[in-house]
Amino acid sequence: DGGITQSPKYLFRKEGQNVTLSCEQNLNHDAMYWYRQDPGQGLRLIYYSQIVNDFQKGDIAEGYSVSREKKESFPLTVTSAQKNPTAFYLCASRPAGGRETQYFGPGTRLLVL
Amino acid sequence: GQQVMQIPQYQHVQEGEDFTTYCNSSTTLSNIQWYKQRPGGHPVFLIQLVKSGEVKKQKRLTFQFGEAKKNSSLHITATQTTDVGTYFCAAATSGTYKYIFGTGTRLKVLA
Repeated sequence: DGGITQSPKYLFRKEGQNVTLSCEQNLNHDAMYWYRQDPGQGLRLIYYSQIVNDFQKGDIAEGYSVSREKKESFPLTVTSAQKNPTAFYLCASRPAGGRETQYFGPGTRLLVL
Repeated sequence: GQQVMQIPQYQHVQEGEDFTTYCNSSTTLSNIQWYKQRPGGHPVFLIQLVKSGEVKKQKRLTFQFGEAKKNSSLHITATQTTDVGTYFCAAATSGTYKYIFGTGTRLKVLA
């Protein structure tokens, strides 16, 4: 919310194609997250990053990859290995510290053609 | 691994009735957060609970954190149509930046 942007809002993927979802924040937050949400379901953690050049797998990392070359940016690539990529993808960020709230971006809806 | 269960999954209430959703963890939590997601939108932070037995209020919303720090609840008094959405809890354990989200409770308010 606020200083977190995600693009595009809708994304279509062809079978066998890799696609990259953008997430940018200008809140000077250290930690960034990617979640996947399926219709009527909760949020599942894909990857998260606490600092630049470092990231950890979440609960459903298979078929996804990330990079954290800049503090402001945490792009997510959905690879062809992800066989069921249709979902709502949410990026979030938060300041350093153990008890800070997460701020969410508006999300990207990925659809498979 | 850590699991966070949230009940009920769905709740339909008449406008003016009360609503409660419960969040239960298999492990002791460092803190718990609550979020609201409107249909088609993204989660928006409501509140964070940190202390054992903590109770916080926001107008018609009351949040509680259990004494053992393994469960939490959100209670809405006299629901309004603006309360429609899905309410999620998000649990964190000590020493981690990782949050586990509950499955959410979808609230519908009938006018």
